[in-house]
Amino acid sequence: QVQLVQSGADVKRPGASVKVSCKASGYTFTGYYVHWVRQAPGQGLEWMGRINPNSGGPNYEQKFQGRVTMTRDESISTVYMELRSLIYDDTAVYYCARARRRGSIGYDFDYWGQGTLVSVSS
Amino acid sequence: QSALTQPASVSGSPGQSITISCTGTSSDVGAYNYVSWYQQHPGKVPKLMIFEVSDRPSGVSDRFSGSKSGNTASLTISGLQAEDEADYYCSSFTRSTTVLFGGGTKLSVL
Repeated sequence: QVQLVQSGADVKRPGASVKVSCKASGYTFTGYYVHWVRQAPGQGLEWMGRINPNSGGPNYEQKFQGRVTMTRDESISTVYMELRSLIYDDTAVYYCARARRRGSIGYDFDYWGQGTLVSVSS
Repeated sequence: QSALTQPASVSGSPGQSITISCTGTSSDVGAYNYVSWYQQHPGKVPKLMIFEVSDRPSGVSDRFSGSKSGNTASLTISGLQAEDEADYYCSSFTRSTTVLFGGGTKLSVL
């Protein structure tokens, strides 16, 4: 069965960086784009960007350009999302999610990771 | 980009039908038939309920239906059940090839 398993919760100081991992299993890793979506406490969903696990090419929401990097390690079917220069407003649950349609850059997501809480606190 | 516009809350009684709207622009909702709806229970992961405006993934009840007119998409839930109480989010593909979510709607089943 398809699974996306994310790394555990993390606490960071303002100005630090965080790297969240998302390990995929149960499907052809290179066939489906993976997206990152975050949700601040009590707030809505916010799209951050996507990565092509085949080529490694990312696309980022403009808001995060220059501060986020999405990468993948095809050998272990894992994608990563690194967010730098953290501020308090980056406190959120970060989700990875698989694009529903194989080969498509993706606009809907059928499988989600369990979420990773990143807390920014001094 | 501003989030798609959804009502903050809607409510209905068991057995009734409700509709949640999702308003965007000609650069997102109005541009493509790539509107999706997600259900999220408290503390849980979002679940895809509708994709490409009106299609349901396997396993999703046919009480859930979607539609679109111009720049506004809608999710209708018929025969409301207590388990439908959750937050609902719409999303749309955009001309910038990004994905834009709505602000979310809290559904209360009275």
